[in-house]
Amino acid sequence: NAGVTQTPKFRILKIGQSMTLQCTQDMNHNYMYWYRQDPGMGLKLIYYSVGAGITDKGEVPNGYNVSRSTTEDFPLRLELAAPSQTSVYFCASSHPGGSVTGELFFGEGSRLTVL
Amino acid sequence: TQLLEQSPQFLSIQEGENLTVYCNSSSVFSSLQWYRQEPGEGPVLLVTVVTGGEVKKLKRLTFQFGDARKDSSLHITAAQPGDTGLYLCAGDNTGGFKTIFGAGTRLFVKA
Repeated sequence: NAGVTQTPKFRILKIGQSMTLQCTQDMNHNYMYWYRQDPGMGLKLIYYSVGAGITDKGEVPNGYNVSRSTTEDFPLRLELAAPSQTSVYFCASSHPGGSVTGELFFGEGSRLTVL
Repeated sequence: TQLLEQSPQFLSIQEGENLTVYCNSSSVFSSLQWYRQEPGEGPVLLVTVVTGGEVKKLKRLTFQFGDARKDSSLHITAAQPGDTGLYLCAGDNTGGFKTIFGAGTRLFVKA
């Protein structure tokens, strides 16, 4: 079972470069998310999507863009990379939970370093 | 802004010891989750608690949701090296699409 798949696992960028982190899930989940995890800071929500064609900002969206053209895919675009974007990025998906939070299924993460 | 504070931030214990980690907030949550994360992997759900005062057990792990639904605790009995990892609590009031996470408790169990 693939679950949530992220690529690449590791990437080094120079300041000002752009790149896209890919995320795909095979569980037919409507909800998808991008989080970043910095040491000692927990997970911060960057963007989320409740279905194809619908995206919204999370807690820390500046410097990022997303799109959701299909249920399966939710790429995260970094424009003009900055050292502050050095982090581990996690994509996740879930079923809508109603009043009870559904389980978040995470990918293995993408470690990005901006030099 | 809703915040979840976890304590302690780091815990190093011997195999066989008991421990409790805490997750506290000034906000009320409709549900609270605990995740465990191992190095190089994404977090994996351990439990979801929904009702104030609820207690759930998962083998040697006991989870409790505070009566006012503002806090939670995770108690591990007779810790084993396999329990080593980062324990994250996560709270939500939006049906799942804006779950917030605490900073985590990093547990190291020595054999």
